Amino acid sequence: AQRVTQPEKLLSVFKGAPVELKCNYSYSGSPELFWYVQYSRQRLQLLLRHISRESIKGFTADLNKGETSFHLKKPFAQEEDSAMYYCALRGGSGGYQKVTFGTGTKLQVIP
Amino acid sequence: DAGVIQSPRHEVTEMGQEVTLRCKPISGHDYLFWYRQTMMRGLELLIYFNNNVPIDDSGMPEDRFSAKMPNASFSTLKIQPSEPRDSAVYFCASSLANSPLHFGNGTRLTVT
Repeated sequence: AQRVTQPEKLLSVFKGAPVELKCNYSYSGSPELFWYVQYSRQRLQLLLRHISRESIKGFTADLNKGETSFHLKKPFAQEEDSAMYYCALRGGSGGYQKVTFGTGTKLQVIP
Repeated sequence: DAGVIQSPRHEVTEMGQEVTLRCKPISGHDYLFWYRQTMMRGLELLIYFNNNVPIDDSGMPEDRFSAKMPNASFSTLKIQPSEPRDSAVYFCASSLANSPLHFGNGTRLTVT
């Protein structure tokens, strides 16, 4: 069965420092990977998806099939980046539209 | 569009009571998902529907949980009887095929 692993529950960085939120997955087919973000008191929203290959709010993520990873990166953290981040995978047992999430990483940017 | 609408926002109930959570998806979306969010387990998929038909309910914890989608604009998640370990935030999300999920604001359930 498909699985998404986010090893860090909490990541604290100083403002201006680089950020890397880790995500690894297990899936036998060709996955579609996403990052969702939940800011304080707001609903979960899409940050980016791997097929778009775009940068949103300075964040990028590259799908590495060899390492089965989809890490989220930003060169310089901002205070407004503090939020909960979830990596997600579409596909697998239960139908291709099934979206499985990791346990999430709370990013705390220290001023 | 108001987005995905969930009600109630907060629910506090006593153990053993029945709880019903409600969701109105975005008009035109043909997929609807129910997730449970806890600190320990993150976002767990409970069940999802396509065109009002349940496709995968393997995440439903036990027989106390049931979900229905009587029409394209309404879904319910029911817990009967509720237990303290059911306390969590329950999210509903909807989407089109192969498109990102759109989430509601969630229902925070507390079972005492």
